[in-house]
Amino acid sequence: EDQVTQSPEALRLQEGESSSLNCSYTVSGLRGLFWYRQDPGKGPEFLFTLYSAGEEKEKERLKATLTKKESFLHITAPKPEDSATYLCAVQADVRGGSNYKLTFGKGTLLTVNP
Amino acid sequence: NAGVMQNPRHLVRRRGQEARLRCSPMKGHSHVYWYRQLPEEGLKFMVYLQKENIIDESGMPKERFSAEFPKEGPSILRIQQVVRGDSAAYFCASSPYTYEQYFGPGTRLTVT
Repeated sequence: EDQVTQSPEALRLQEGESSSLNCSYTVSGLRGLFWYRQDPGKGPEFLFTLYSAGEEKEKERLKATLTKKESFLHITAPKPEDSATYLCAVQADVRGGSNYKLTFGKGTLLTVNP
Repeated sequence: NAGVMQNPRHLVRRRGQEARLRCSPMKGHSHVYWYRQLPEEGLKFMVYLQKENIIDESGMPKERFSAEFPKEGPSILRIQQVVRGDSAAYFCASSPYTYEQYFGPGTRLTVT
């Protein structure tokens, strides 16, 4: 069974204090790894897709990286508006099967204090 | 381009009543997915539909839950005879193909 574990569960940073969030995954074959941001009372907002080990993607202060076992979401010089829950999800590469399902981790609640 | 739309945003039902949740996918998206988020739990896959077809309902409870995506109109997730354990946030997502899924704002169902 596909599994996604995110750590830490919660992270408090001061504005400008860079850090990383971790997403460890177990999947038979990786089709894609996805990062989402979720604000309270809202739906997940798509951030990145990573397809293969070594791949990196950036958006503003966020950078996502991927290895064969985990992904990191690096946050550089965060601002209070970066406060949110960050979700990681995987899609398994299942030939002729359910390769569309997203399996989510429980998320990391990031709080950035001014 | 409008995003995924869901209504109602909040729904209160008494035990035993029916709940109907609606989802309009993004324009041009023919794949619709429903997920449920229980308190302190991650999002869990429920069902995957294309127009007039249920492709995979393996994540949906076999009783009381049903889903449809008709040729015309929104996708509907229907929960009959709701119980307190059905209280959760229900999210719909859509995609033009089966990679990135774009989520709606969710429907928060409270069963009293």
